[in-house]
Amino acid sequence: ILNVEQSPQSLHVQEGDSTNFTCSFPSSNFYALHWYRWETAKSPEALFVMTLNGDEKKKGRISATLNTKEGYSYLYIKGSQPEDSATYLCASPIRDSQGNLIFGKGTKLSVKP
Amino acid sequence: EPEVTQTPSHQVTQMGQEVILRCVPISNHLYFYWYRQILGQKVEFLVSFYNNEISEKSEIFDDQFSVERPDGSNFTLKIRSTKLEDSAMYFCASSPTGKPTGELFFGEGSRLTVL
Repeated sequence: ILNVEQSPQSLHVQEGDSTNFTCSFPSSNFYALHWYRWETAKSPEALFVMTLNGDEKKKGRISATLNTKEGYSYLYIKGSQPEDSATYLCASPIRDSQGNLIFGKGTKLSVKP
Repeated sequence: EPEVTQTPSHQVTQMGQEVILRCVPISNHLYFYWYRQILGQKVEFLVSFYNNEISEKSEIFDDQFSVERPDGSNFTLKIRSTKLEDSAMYFCASSPTGKPTGELFFGEGSRLTVL
């Protein structure tokens, strides 16, 4: 059974702090890892889809790394801003599925001005 | 920018009633999905839909659930006889490729409360 775990569950940081959180997934039968950003009352929005071991992706102040051998991905936010406050979800697809993503519970980030 | 839209944003219903949640996927996308999140739990896959038929469904998607694309734009989720445990946020999503490596485009969700 594919199980995706995220930690921490929630995080409170000050504006300007850099932060990171973790997504763990089974390393066997790995196919891809998705990161989504979900602001309250809005739709979850894709940040990254990663497939290769050692892959590193960046979008502005947000970056992510992937280690498929040990089964984890880190999401980093450099110099957090209040607008980064959101729940960050990671998900991994079941192999050979069409969009059946197994999600973690998410990390809820609050950035205080 | 094209987006997935869902209606209603919130619906309150009595146990045993039928509910239809509506979605308008992004117009050139061919693959459609329903997910749900019960409060405090993980987002869970319900069903995927392509070429006017279900391509995959989870154990949650039992006979009480059905999906339909009644016209060229809408994609609906029907719950025939709602139960208390159906209370959740229901998300519609669409994808141009249907590949596991392709991102999903989500709507804002429809919150269903069953009393």
